[in-house]
Amino acid sequence: SQTIHQWPATLVQPVGSPLSLECTVEGTSNPNLYWYRQAAGRGLQLLFYSVGIGQISSEVPQNLSASRPQDRQFILSSKKLLLSDSGFYLCAWSPGSGNTIYFGEGSWLTVV
Amino acid sequence: AQSVTQPDIHITVSEGASLELRCNYSYGATPYLFWYVQSPGQGLQLLLKYFSGDTLVQGIKGFEAEFKRSQSSFNLRKPSVHWSDAAEYFCAVGSGGGADGLTFGKGTHLIIQP
Repeated sequence: SQTIHQWPATLVQPVGSPLSLECTVEGTSNPNLYWYRQAAGRGLQLLFYSVGIGQISSEVPQNLSASRPQDRQFILSSKKLLLSDSGFYLCAWSPGSGNTIYFGEGSWLTVV
Repeated sequence: AQSVTQPDIHITVSEGASLELRCNYSYGATPYLFWYVQSPGQGLQLLLKYFSGDTLVQGIKGFEAEFKRSQSSFNLRKPSVHWSDAAEYFCAVGSGGGADGLTFGKGTHLIIQP
């Protein structure tokens, strides 16, 4: 069966510091991969999605970036965090376009 | 562009009572529709989905939802709620052909009274 892991689960970072959140999917190949952000009371916002290695689409311009160095690995990064980057970040995958999306357990980021 | 509206931010239901959470969507073609549940501090778990066929779909944990094209709705129901159903519920719509994920509603927070 397929599983998705993301880490770290909790992160407290100072303003201006870098960020790296990692996500891996097991038990499937060539998945679509997604990063969502969930701010308090504001639902889920799609940040990035990827249909293949090195292919990244950005939905929201901001100081975050994403990379997909391997088929089942998706990384969310920032060079300099802002206070507004605080939130709950969710990695997700789907078997292909138009299919169900499955979520990881999320990563809490607090920028102080 | 597609959109999802969940009109109720909070709903309080007594344990054992029936539940209906509302979801309205906007989409030009036949949508793919989903309901997810999120416990505090956790990821989202898929409850059920509608792609085509029977408009009444059954999901996990005793939930069901009905797709009504004429009303652009996909309401979630449960005949008798349990205290463990307290969570955040999200309705989502997908295009069925695109890779750009799903569009989510802002969620409904379900509170269960003893």
